[in-house]
Amino acid sequence: EDQVTQSPEALRLQEGESSSLNCSYTVSGLRGLFWYRQDPGKGPEFLFTLYSAGEEKEKERLKATLTKKESFLHITAPKPEDSATYLCAVQASQGGSEKLVFGKGTKLTVNP
Amino acid sequence: DTEVTQTPKHLVMGMTNKKSLKCEQHMGHRAMYWYKQKAKKPPELMFVYSYEKLSINESVPSRFSPECPNSSLLNLHLHALQPEDSALYLCASSPGAGRGNQPQHFGDGTRLSIL
Repeated sequence: EDQVTQSPEALRLQEGESSSLNCSYTVSGLRGLFWYRQDPGKGPEFLFTLYSAGEEKEKERLKATLTKKESFLHITAPKPEDSATYLCAVQASQGGSEKLVFGKGTKLTVNP
Repeated sequence: DTEVTQTPKHLVMGMTNKKSLKCEQHMGHRAMYWYKQKAKKPPELMFVYSYEKLSINESVPSRFSPECPNSSLLNLHLHALQPEDSALYLCASSPGAGRGNQPQHFGDGTRLSIL
């Protein structure tokens, strides 16, 4: 069964204090790994897609990396507006399914 | 602003009411999805439509009835819901099978409360 585990569940940072969020996955053939940001009362906002081990993507203060077993979302010098829940999801290659399997998310709070 | 539009944003209904949730996208996507999200939980897949045909039903109770009138629209018809059905209902779309492993794009959801 495909599984996604995110850690930590919650993370509090001071503004400017860099850190990383982890997403470990077990999947029968990875088609893609996706990072989303979700603000309270809103839908998930797409951030990155990673397809193969060694791949990296960057956007402003965020950088996503991928290995064969896990992905990291690195946050450099975060600001209070980066506070949100970050969701990781994987899509398996089996059966050509469009189905995403989500982790439970990491709630990030950045204090000024 | 998201490119997937959901209406209404909020809905309060009694257990005997019939209502519908609506979702619209104009990105030319051919796969559309309904998710249910409870507080502090990740989205749970309910249905997938691919090229206007239902391709995945995650054993959802029959009181939820999806409909895809065309490639841009997705409805979720609700009838005789239970209090535990109160949640944020999210719609998403993606280019569709055979068009690469593209991300799903989500709307901001309908917050549903069952009295």
